[in-house]
Amino acid sequence: AQSVTQPDARVTVSEGASLQLRCKYSYSGTPYLFWYVQYPRQGLQLLLKYYSGDPVVQGVNGFEAEFSKSNSSFHLRKASVHWSDSAVYFCVLSAGGYKVVFGSGTRLLVSP
Amino acid sequence: EAAVTQSPRNKVAVTGGKVTLSCNQTNNHNNMYWYRQDTGHGLRLIHYSYGAGSTEKGDIPDGYKASRPSQENFSLILELATPSQTSVYFCASGDARTGAETLYFGSGTRLTVL
Repeated sequence: AQSVTQPDARVTVSEGASLQLRCKYSYSGTPYLFWYVQYPRQGLQLLLKYYSGDPVVQGVNGFEAEFSKSNSSFHLRKASVHWSDSAVYFCVLSAGGYKVVFGSGTRLLVSP
Repeated sequence: EAAVTQSPRNKVAVTGGKVTLSCNQTNNHNNMYWYRQDTGHGLRLIHYSYGAGSTEKGDIPDGYKASRPSQENFSLILELATPSQTSVYFCASGDARTGAETLYFGSGTRLTVL
């Protein structure tokens, strides 16, 4: 069975600092992987997605993620965070069809 | 811009009452989904649909029904609401045309069952 683990429930970084949010997945096939962001009182919005090719994918607002098959990981990064990046971030795995598995989310707090 | 609209935004219901949550999408996507979001559980799939007239059970369908009368509309129905169904519900539509399906979410309905 497929699964997604986001080991950090909460991450706090200072504004302007770099960021990495961790995601590990378990899936025997070729994964389609996504990062979504959820701002307060809103639905999830797509940041970026990966399903083949260059393991580093670029997303919106300066976010990028790196896929590692050997480590079964898909970590999200940003070089310099802004206070408006404070939100909950979800790593998501699609195994085809309706089988979409969400991680439990990482709440990011950006301090001034 | 893909658009998924949910109504109502907030709902308070009584135990045993009937609740209908509505979702409308203007994306012309075939696939639509209902999820609930609870602290510590991420999002869990309740029902989904591949097109008008179809509904399928997701991972946690008990206590819920779904209806897809048209391409644009997908409803979630709680015939006999219980306090355990207090949650935030999200509707999404899916675009699989590029291979990996991207989901477009509504803003959610916060349901409280007293």
